[in-house]
Amino acid sequence: EVQLVESGGGLVQPGGSLRLSCAASGLSFNNYAMTWVRQAPGKGLEWVSGIGSTGGDTYNADSVKGRFTISRDNSKSTLYLQMNSLRAEDTAVYFCTQGLRWFVYWGQGTLVTVSS
Amino acid sequence: QSALAQPPSASGSPGQSVTISCTGTSSDVGGYKYVSWYQQHPGKAPKLMIYEVSKRPSGVPDRFSGSKSGNTASLTVSGLQAEDEAEYYCSSSAGSNMVLFGGGTKLTVL
Repeated sequence: EVQLVESGGGLVQPGGSLRLSCAASGLSFNNYAMTWVRQAPGKGLEWVSGIGSTGGDTYNADSVKGRFTISRDNSKSTLYLQMNSLRAEDTAVYFCTQGLRWFVYWGQGTLVTVSS
Repeated sequence: QSALAQPPSASGSPGQSVTISCTGTSSDVGGYKYVSWYQQHPGKAPKLMIYEVSKRPSGVPDRFSGSKSGNTASLTVSGLQAEDEAEYYCSSSAGSNMVLFGGGTKLTVL
């Protein structure tokens, strides 16, 4: 059974930083591209960042370019999202997903709240 | 880029069919075969229902079908059941390995 388990969310002040992690099991992690998708409270889904299977190719939404960095450690089957210069509008549940163009497996999400 | 356009709500009675549209542009929906649909129940993670416009992942009932014409994709749910009541989101590739989502459609089973 494939499991994606996010962690690292929490309350952070505007301008602060946070690093999210996503531990994967039940799949050959190093064979798959991965993506972060977020959902603001009561709102729709928003694509955030994607990364190729080797980590060599990364893609970011305009809304997070220059502030968020996606990375992965295939030896640990773990996906990361380093979030800097956080803004109130970054408040959302962040989902880890498997895929690049469509998303087969999803974690349960981790809530990030940006507020003073 | 703007989100793909979906109607905010749709409804149908049990056993009926309902179709949800997803309208984009030639730079996203119209330009790629990578249109997918997700079902999300309250408080849960989204679930992939359709990928590559019309393909169903294993385990998704064949009551769910997808299609595309020009810049508009559609999800049809036939033989509506109570458990189909949920939020539905479309998504599409949008060039440079970017992805756009629709704003979501709340499907109500009357």
